[in-house]
Amino acid sequence: DQQVKQNSPSLSVQEGRISILNCDYTNSMFDYFLWYKKYPAEGPTFLISISSIKDKNEDGRFTVFLNKSAKHLSLHIVPSQPGDSAVYFCAALVTDSWGKFQFGAGTQVVVTP
Amino acid sequence: NAGVTQTPKFRILKIGQSMTLQCAQDMNHNYMYWYRQDPGMGLKLIYYSVGAGITDKGEVPNGYNVSRSTTEDFPLRLELAAPSQTSVYFCASSSSEAGNTEAFFGQGTRLTVV
Repeated sequence: DQQVKQNSPSLSVQEGRISILNCDYTNSMFDYFLWYKKYPAEGPTFLISISSIKDKNEDGRFTVFLNKSAKHLSLHIVPSQPGDSAVYFCAALVTDSWGKFQFGAGTQVVVTP
Repeated sequence: NAGVTQTPKFRILKIGQSMTLQCAQDMNHNYMYWYRQDPGMGLKLIYYSVGAGITDKGEVPNGYNVSRSTTEDFPLRLELAAPSQTSVYFCASSSSEAGNTEAFFGQGTRLTVV
């Protein structure tokens, strides 16, 4: 039962433009959401997170938006840079559930010159 | 600052062999996890631990065992390796302190069972 879904396996975007990655979830108990970035042959690294009490969190070029009623979150990267080419995972958490993260399948982002 | 260290990085096993994937963290985190990532799939939780001496099953525990004798170490044991266990394995840790929900990952172990 996939509780966190990333329906776009890949995204190609031109350098300097906006990348928008989407994530949907089914479990209304999730109260914390994270985005991880993964380069080949490396482990995922934390990018940005958002609590369910907020609808937006911004960190430099990265902004995460949360729509609780739609059970949807998105990651915006503006402007996209070649170094952003990676796989991005959405993760969700019920914060009193011993930290058991549920991950989406990932979206491969390719930023072209 | 090592973070989460996994060994080995790569391993080829024959069907029926066994091995232990090592994981160590130096951040004094209580929570530790083992995930596997199959091609085109998200990370699936195999086992987790909330502290030394305490472990529990995740989504896909069959064929694996873990132990947690110290805060730092969380080895994953594969008994009787099968081709279905070909995957990339990630160990992670996180703090149990309120507000610290980020998980830190190791670099992964790529395991092939032939």
